[in-house]
Amino acid sequence: AQTVTQSQPEMSVQEAETVTLSCTYDTSESNYYLFWYKQPPSRQMILVIRQEAYKQQNATENRFSVNFQKAAKSFSLKISDSQLGDTAMYFCAFMKNNNNDMRFGAGTRLTVKP
Amino acid sequence: NAGVMQNPRHLVRRRGQEARLRCSPVKGHSHVYWYRQLPEEGLKFMVYLQKENIIDESGMPKERFSAEFPKEGPSILRIQQVVRGDSAAYFCASSPPAGRNQPQHFGDGTRLSIL
Repeated sequence: AQTVTQSQPEMSVQEAETVTLSCTYDTSESNYYLFWYKQPPSRQMILVIRQEAYKQQNATENRFSVNFQKAAKSFSLKISDSQLGDTAMYFCAFMKNNNNDMRFGAGTRLTVKP
Repeated sequence: NAGVMQNPRHLVRRRGQEARLRCSPVKGHSHVYWYRQLPEEGLKFMVYLQKENIIDESGMPKERFSAEFPKEGPSILRIQQVVRGDSAAYFCASSPPAGRNQPQHFGDGTRLSIL
């Protein structure tokens, strides 16, 4: 079974600073997909970024980037130039290749302070 | 282009009643997933359905819970004889049929409260 671990229940960062959220996972699969979802106070689930395990290049979406270390089974999210609107719960998720159900970590609550 | 629509947004039931949660996927999506989120926890996978078929229900409790995705109409998550522990947010997600490994689009969830 796949497990996803987010070891930081809560984090805070000053506006305009950079913060990194950690995620590790356990799998015996060689090909899979990793995601970061954001859940703001409105409780919508918003896809932030996605990484395919067979791609070595780290995914980037504007201020959001990942550090994907396949051997270490680590998938951290870096948020640059943090904004107040980034305040949310962030969930790391794993999905096996050709299997659409995702496994989520317990989440990290990020607070961006003015 | 409507996203995943869930209704109701909030549902209150007394212990022993039935709860029906509805999910209309993104137009053209034929894969539907249900997740449960307890307070201060992550999402837990419950069930994965395609039209008229349950593909994976490994996350569904063995009793009182059922799900369907009929040929016509929304997907329904049904909880019979609800108990206090069923209080949670239930999220539905959908993905397109063409090619697996597509990101899932989430609805806004249904908050179920059991009195």
